[in-house]
Amino acid sequence: DAGITQSPRYKITETGRQVTLMCHQTWSHSYMFWYRQDLGHGLRLIYYSAAADITDKGEVPDGYVVSRSKTENFPLTLESATRSQTSVYFCASSDPWGAGGHQETQYFGPGTRLLVL
Amino acid sequence: SQQGEEDPQALSIQEGENATMNCSYKTSINNLQWYRQNSGRGLVHLILIRSNEREKHSGRLRVTLDTSKKSSSLLITASRAADTASYFCATDPPTGGGNKLTFGTGTQLKVEL
Repeated sequence: DAGITQSPRYKITETGRQVTLMCHQTWSHSYMFWYRQDLGHGLRLIYYSAAADITDKGEVPDGYVVSRSKTENFPLTLESATRSQTSVYFCASSDPWGAGGHQETQYFGPGTRLLVL
Repeated sequence: SQQGEEDPQALSIQEGENATMNCSYKTSINNLQWYRQNSGRGLVHLILIRSNEREKHSGRLRVTLDTSKKSSSLLITASRAADTASYFCATDPPTGGGNKLTFGTGTQLKVEL
């Protein structure tokens, strides 16, 4: 049971480069989320997706692009990385229509630490 | 903007003591959840309390919710060194669906032997 995985786990890039962070879940959860975690800010929602081909902005979407062509994958792309995008990025999934009483729970990946030089 | 604010920001206690952390939020909620994050890891769901509930227990965890004060507290009884982690509250709004949670800034708990 792989759950939810993120790759790479660590990434160093330079300002202006395009970077894609991958997220993959094996549960077929309908909802997926991208957060960034910065000291003093907690977790802030970047983008989320209700299903394949349905995405919507969160609190801090500027500078990011997402896609969801398949239910299990939700890549996050930084089109032109900036130093302010140095952060830890977490992907999460949830299944609002699932059984078992955990419909509101979000399940998190291990995170990707991104450093933009 | 952050919906939840945890208090205190950091807490250090001895093993066996109880740990209490508080969360205040700003708008109406459908439910409030608490998550734990061990250093360098993703968040793990601990407990959920719905807006029509006042108290909930799960093992050594006790959560209270006061919707009139827009606040919640998480109590960890008989703490252990393994409880050392950051704890976040997260609120789920009554509209919009999809479990779009808003997280607080977290409380760092350190349990010393």
